[in-house]
Amino acid sequence: DTEVTQTPKHLVMGMTNKKSLKCEQHMGHRAMYWYKQKAKKPPELMFVYSYEKLSINESVPSRFSPECPNSSLLNLHLHALQPEDSALYLCASSHPGREPNSPLHFGNGTRLTVT
Amino acid sequence: GESVGLHLPTLSVQEGDNSIINCAYSNSASDYFIWYKQESGKGPQFIIDIRSNMDKRQGQRVTVLLNKTVKHLSLQIAATQPGDSAVYFCAGPSGGYQKVTFGTGTKLQVIP
Repeated sequence: DTEVTQTPKHLVMGMTNKKSLKCEQHMGHRAMYWYKQKAKKPPELMFVYSYEKLSINESVPSRFSPECPNSSLLNLHLHALQPEDSALYLCASSHPGREPNSPLHFGNGTRLTVT
Repeated sequence: GESVGLHLPTLSVQEGDNSIINCAYSNSASDYFIWYKQESGKGPQFIIDIRSNMDKRQGQRVTVLLNKTVKHLSLQIAATQPGDSAVYFCAGPSGGYQKVTFGTGTKLQVIP
């Protein structure tokens, strides 16, 4: 079991649907991340929140909308997705800091299929 | 690094042997590196990390070696077990300490 919990584990949605992915951690981490991972590829960074503020957006299309309601929760709102958006969406958290000395803790992801 | 191709490099190792997984990086300014293990159907799991002021760091059955001269990182797993079968990624900050990017990954297959 991981200390980062993602729901749902699997999601199938049509291109006109609106859905949300949820992520929760109770490790006191103040940095939270969304990554996208296609099959046989490494995770690719999408968004980073630091102290509940969006600090990094890796030029992600606006059909993906992140939200950080509080220090423990991270959401990813999905709207009008394309089939090529089908992937494993991973949430992670870490201690933010001035130095890169804190590893990411990942959840087990949400497997998204867009039909 | 950037991922290319549809096939992960694969390392097949006999159970009980030692495994060595390699990673090259391009940014000379990189000062922190992490190894992750990703089992099928799960998220990446932290294994071990190393800072650039170190050449070697040891954990339980794992050792990471850093060669800054040739910008090379390796993960050594001693007495490889079936449970070590997974994809292994090196990772590190790229263009900012929160922009953690991943290498292409290596699939480790342990032969019983």
